Amino acid sequence: KQEVTQIPAALSVPEGENLVLNCSFTDSAIYNLQWFRQDPGKGLTSLLLIQSSQREQTSGRLNASLDKSSGRSTLYIAASQPGDSATYLCAVHSGGGADGLTFGKGTHLIIQP
Amino acid sequence: DAGVIQSPRHEVTEMGQEVTLRCKPISGHDYLFWYRQTMMRGLELLIYFNNNVPIDDSGMPEDRFSAKMPNASFSTLKIQPSEPRDSAVYFCASSSLRGSNEKLFFGSGTQLSVL
Repeated sequence: KQEVTQIPAALSVPEGENLVLNCSFTDSAIYNLQWFRQDPGKGLTSLLLIQSSQREQTSGRLNASLDKSSGRSTLYIAASQPGDSATYLCAVHSGGGADGLTFGKGTHLIIQP
Repeated sequence: DAGVIQSPRHEVTEMGQEVTLRCKPISGHDYLFWYRQTMMRGLELLIYFNNNVPIDDSGMPEDRFSAKMPNASFSTLKIQPSEPRDSAVYFCASSSLRGSNEKLFFGSGTQLSVL
């Protein structure tokens, strides 16, 4: 059974810093990996999707990397802003079926102005 | 498109009462998912549909939970009778799973409190 772990559970950094969020998964036979953002009282918004054949994806100040063999992914946020404050969740799609999506519990990020 | 629409946003009920949560997926999406989120267990998949047909309901915790999708634009999740441990945020999500670049689109959720 796939297990997804996110470390740290919470992170607080000053505005302007670059930061890295970590995600690890136990079964490397994945289809793809997604990073989501969740704001308080809201649903999840997909930020980046990395297919199993890819190493990284970039969108603006966000860069996500994938190392399937070691079961790790990182989300890099450059020049952090207070508006980046949210919970970031990693989700792994472990098979061809739609039921293969396993979520981590997320990293709660606070960017101090 | 307005995105995935869920109602109600908040529901407070007493133990033993029936609760019905509603979801309208994004038009054209042929997959619909119901998730439950708690602090302890994170996000858990309850059930998902493909073309209105339930495909996997192994995540439904008990027979008290049931879900239907009578047409492509509407789904319900019903809890009868409700219990305090059902208190959670329930999310509906939809997807158009064509190719390996699919993304899930989530609704804003229903915050359920069972007293």
